[in-house]
Amino acid sequence: AQTVTQSQPEMSVQEAETVTLSCTYDTSENNYYLFWYKQPPSRQMILVIRQEAYKQQNATENRFSVNFQKAAKSFSLKISDSQLGDTAMYFCAFMKPFTQGGSEKLVFGKGTKLTVNP
Amino acid sequence: DTEVTQTPKHLVMGMTNKKSLKCEQHMGHRAMYWYKQKAKKPPELMFVYSYEKLSINESVPSRFSPECPNSSLLNLHLHALQPEDSALYLCASSHRQGTQPQHFGDGTRLSIL
Repeated sequence: AQTVTQSQPEMSVQEAETVTLSCTYDTSENNYYLFWYKQPPSRQMILVIRQEAYKQQNATENRFSVNFQKAAKSFSLKISDSQLGDTAMYFCAFMKPFTQGGSEKLVFGKGTKLTVNP
Repeated sequence: DTEVTQTPKHLVMGMTNKKSLKCEQHMGHRAMYWYKQKAKKPPELMFVYSYEKLSINESVPSRFSPECPNSSLLNLHLHALQPEDSALYLCASSHRQGTQPQHFGDGTRLSIL
């Protein structure tokens, strides 16, 4: 069974600075998908970024980028130029593709609570 | 604005009541999901519907009864709930190919008295 570990329960950063959230996972699969979701106090789960395991290039989405290290099974999220609106719970998630016997079941980490301070 | 709409946003009910949670999406997604989320915890999968058929039931108690009347709607019928069932209930949807991320609604905050 796949597991996802987020070792930082809470983090804080000053506005406009850069912060990195860590995520490691355990799987024997070769092809899979990794996601970062953001859940602000308004409670909606919002997709931040997605990475396909077969792509070596790290995904980027505006101020958000990942450092995907497949061999190390590491998937960290870097937030540049942090904004107050980035304050939220961040969940790392793993998914095995349905086309390879997966069930589209997302396996979540326990989350990292990020606070951006003014 | 979210593309997955959940109603109601808040629900308070007694243990003997019967109520339903509703979820609607118009993105053409053919997979829909119910999650339960306790405070400061990640979402826990409850049910998955694929092409309007139940494909995953994560051993959820029978007091929770899902229903998918069509490809756009997903209901969760509640009956005889316990106080420990108080939580945020999230609905999500995705394309069936299994390569697309899930899109979540705002959730229903459920409190059992």
